Amino acid sequence: EDKVVQSPLSLVVHEGDTVTLNCSYEVTNFRSLLWYKQEKKAPTFLFMLTSSGIEKKSGRLSSILDKKELFSILNITATQTGDSAVYLCVLRYTGANSKLTFGKGITLSVRP
Amino acid sequence: NAGVTQTPKFRVLKTGQSMTLLCAQDMNHEYMYWYRQDPGMGLRLIHYSVGEGTTAKGEVPDGYNVSRLKKQNFLLGLESAAPSQTSVYFCASSYYSGGVGYTFGSGTRLTVV
Repeated sequence: EDKVVQSPLSLVVHEGDTVTLNCSYEVTNFRSLLWYKQEKKAPTFLFMLTSSGIEKKSGRLSSILDKKELFSILNITATQTGDSAVYLCVLRYTGANSKLTFGKGITLSVRP
Repeated sequence: NAGVTQTPKFRVLKTGQSMTLLCAQDMNHEYMYWYRQDPGMGLRLIHYSVGEGTTAKGEVPDGYNVSRLKKQNFLLGLESAAPSQTSVYFCASSYYSGGVGYTFGSGTRLTVV
């Protein structure tokens, strides 16, 4: 059973649109929730969220975590074709070796 | 440029053949990981290492072996390849455990026929 569920699985928008990507999870004993962007190759780090209700922002991207309702969202405003990618939601568990559990990803396509 | 280098980038194997994927990092990271990525499955942890000379099983370790003889290298071996091991393999490293500071390699696309 998936512990990290992302929705929608895929999304097509036009340049300039605003998108919201969702990530829900089932576990509570995690240290942080991370968002990655994966284009053709390796995932690249976007955000790390550890506290509920505190928005992280980087340019047109922002993200927030709700530990009570067990979800996170990633917002992208004024989308550009370069935002086309797979967006991964990842849980980092507590513990000495705190491994990561990845969601299946959301494929975002931004059309000109 | 500092980072994680994976070799090879592409490989086609016949069922039953063996091969080793090499991951090298030059950032003096303690932790190294091997993941596989399959369509609709997300990244799944195969094996990981928390330091030179150590290895541990991840989520999907069967059919794979690993070695970390040197701190900078983490090898993933397939002793007898199976079509189910067709996947994209990513190596990652981090200075400390967890997702911040993870650096991923560019991936190895392996096809087993």
